[in-house]
Amino acid sequence: DIQMTQTPSSMPASLGERVTISCRASQGISNYLNWYQQKPDGTIKPLIYYTSNLQSGVPSRFSGSGSGTDYSLTISSLEPEDFAMYYCQQYDSSPWTFGGGTKLELK
Amino acid sequence: QVNLQESGPGIVKPSQPLSVTCSVTGYSITTSYYYWNWIRKFPGNKLEWMGYISYDGSIYYNPSLKSRISITRDTSKNQFFLQLNTVTTEDTAVYYCARLNNYWYFDFWGPGTMVTVSS
Repeated sequence: DIQMTQTPSSMPASLGERVTISCRASQGISNYLNWYQQKPDGTIKPLIYYTSNLQSGVPSRFSGSGSGTDYSLTISSLEPEDFAMYYCQQYDSSPWTFGGGTKLELK
Repeated sequence: QVNLQESGPGIVKPSQPLSVTCSVTGYSITTSYYYWNWIRKFPGNKLEWMGYISYDGSIYYNPSLKSRISITRDTSKNQFFLQLNTVTTEDTAVYYCARLNNYWYFDFWGPGTMVTVSS
C-alpha cells in the first residue's frame, strides 16, 4: 500500500494567515492526489482534486500543488470557517489511502 | 442535490457482524459511471477506504478487509449496504458512505454513523 504522510499533524494559526499543509507519498503517485476538509461536526467535503483542481464552490483562497511524491495544500488567508481537519488521499493505486490528517487550530 | 445518509446499529458485540446502510437521494446509484463507497474513520483520525459497489454492480474491496467485508445494494430502494464480519474493538469507527465520481474523487459524503464494538 502507498503510505501518505501529512505534516504537520496539527497547526495553530491566526485569522488572515497563509498556511501550507504537506503530504508525502511513499512512492510517486503521478499527481493522483485529492484534498478533503472535515469540519468539527464530522462532515467531509472535497476541496481539491488531481493535485490542483478546485472543487466547484470552494473558495479561491484554497490551492493545491505538487508532483512526484510531494504535494501541498495552501490556504492564502485563513477565514474562521477554515479551522478544521484536512486530509490528502492518493488514487494512483489501490487500495486508495489517506494521510493521517492535519488539524488546523486557532492560535 | 445528492444526499447520502448512513444508518447503523450504534453498538455491536465482538465477533458479531456489523451492518450499515447508506440511503441515497437525489441521484440513482445505477447511473454511469459512479462508484458508491464505504470509508471509515478510526478514533485518532485515521481514514480507511473499505471498498465500493459500482453503478453496474461490480465490487472492489480493500485487500486488508477482503475476508470479512461484503458490499451489496438494493437498486429499488436506492440503497447500498456494508457488512463487516467477525468484528473486534479495532473496528470501532465512524462509518461513512461516499460517492466517487468520474474524476476519481469522493464528491459527496454522508454525515457518518458511529459504530462501537463492545461487549
